[in-house]
Order: sequence, then C-alpha cells, then structure tokens
Amino acid sequence: GDSVTQMEGPVTLSEEAFLTINCTYTATGYPSLFWYVQYPGEGLQLLLKATKADDKGSNKGFEATYRKETTSFHLEKGSVQVSDSAVYFCALSDRSNDYKLSFGAGTTVTVRA
Amino acid sequence: DAGVIQSPRHEVTEMGQEVTLRCKPISGHNSLFWYRQTMMRGLELLIYFNNNVPIDDSGMPEDRFSAKMPNASFSTLKIQPSEPRDSAVYFCASSAVGGGGDTQYFGPGTRLTVL
Repeated sequence: GDSVTQMEGPVTLSEEAFLTINCTYTATGYPSLFWYVQYPGEGLQLLLKATKADDKGSNKGFEATYRKETTSFHLEKGSVQVSDSAVYFCALSDRSNDYKLSFGAGTTVTVRA
Repeated sequence: DAGVIQSPRHEVTEMGQEVTLRCKPISGHNSLFWYRQTMMRGLELLIYFNNNVPIDDSGMPEDRFSAKMPNASFSTLKIQPSEPRDSAVYFCASSAVGGGGDTQYFGPGTRLTVL
C-alpha cells in the first residue's frame, strides 16, 4: 500500500538557517505529492504540491522536487524565519487509492531568533 | 473564498454525552473527509464521502462514531456516547476529485475534550 516516511523531528534552527526535511514514499500508482504545514493551534494548510515526476512545487520560499527515481519529495527553504515554526507533513494522494491522503508522521520545526 | 468551515471550534463535554461536529465543505467540492489528530496516533482518516455517499468508513473506531452527509454542503460526525479517549482534534477536509483536483483543503478543526 501507499506510505510516506519523513524525517523525524524535532528540528531546531536559528533564523536564516537552511532547512531540509526529508520525505520518501512508496506508492503503487503515480501519486501526487504534497507538503502541508500546521501552525500552532490551526488546521493543516497546503504548502505546495507536485503532480508528476520532476515537477517542482514552491511557495513562501519553500521548494520540493518530485523525484521518481529516488521516490523522494524533500522540502527545502534557504533562509528560515521565526514565523516558519510549525509542523510539516509530507503526504501523497493516489488515484488508485481513491485520492485518500497518506501522511507522514510530521516534523516539528522550531526557528529561534 | 470561504474555506472549509467547522463548528464548534472547541467542545468540552462529559463522558457519556452525545457530541456532534459539523462541517461545511468548499462550494463545488464533491469529496469530504473526516480526520482525527492525536499526539499518540497522529492523523487518522475516519471516513470519506464522494458525492454525499460514504465510500470508506474503515477508519471509524467504533460503533459509537457515525457520520452523515445529507447534502453537498453539510456533514456531521457524531459520537454517542463519548469517552475520554475520544479527546482529540477533529478535522474536516474537502476536495474536487476528478480533472486532477486531488488537493484536500482542511478546516480549522474542532478540539474535543471529553472529561
């Protein structure tokens, strides 16, 4: 079945540091890949997505590239801010699984000033 | 654009009481999902609907949980009777399946505390 494995946290960084959160997946079909972000006390917000191999999703300075050969979708940001402190979830959606989202466990990121 | 709307945002109840959570999906979306989030188990899919029809309820933990979608703009998740272990944040999400629209948009959640 479909599954997502993402880097365990928590991750603590200083402002302006480089952030990488690793995410790998297993899927039977051709999934779409997502990163969601959850700020404290809020729901999940879509951060970015990619729907096919070599697509790059980007938003708010975050980027992730759909790598079919390595079944990965790592999230990166070149210079984090305190406001990026949140929990980040990698997820996939597969038509063969009725578009149900399979989530990673989430990575808590704390950015210190 | 209004996103997914959930009510109430917070609910505190006593064990044994009935709890009803409500969700209004984004207009035009034809799929609706109910999730539960806890520290121990993370995000769990409870049930989802396509075109108001329940498709998969295998994630519903027990018969105490039930969900309905009487029309395209409204869904409820009911717990009767509630127990302390039901305390969690419950999220509703909707998507426009078909035509490549597989992105799910989440509501703000209902934080349920059962005493």
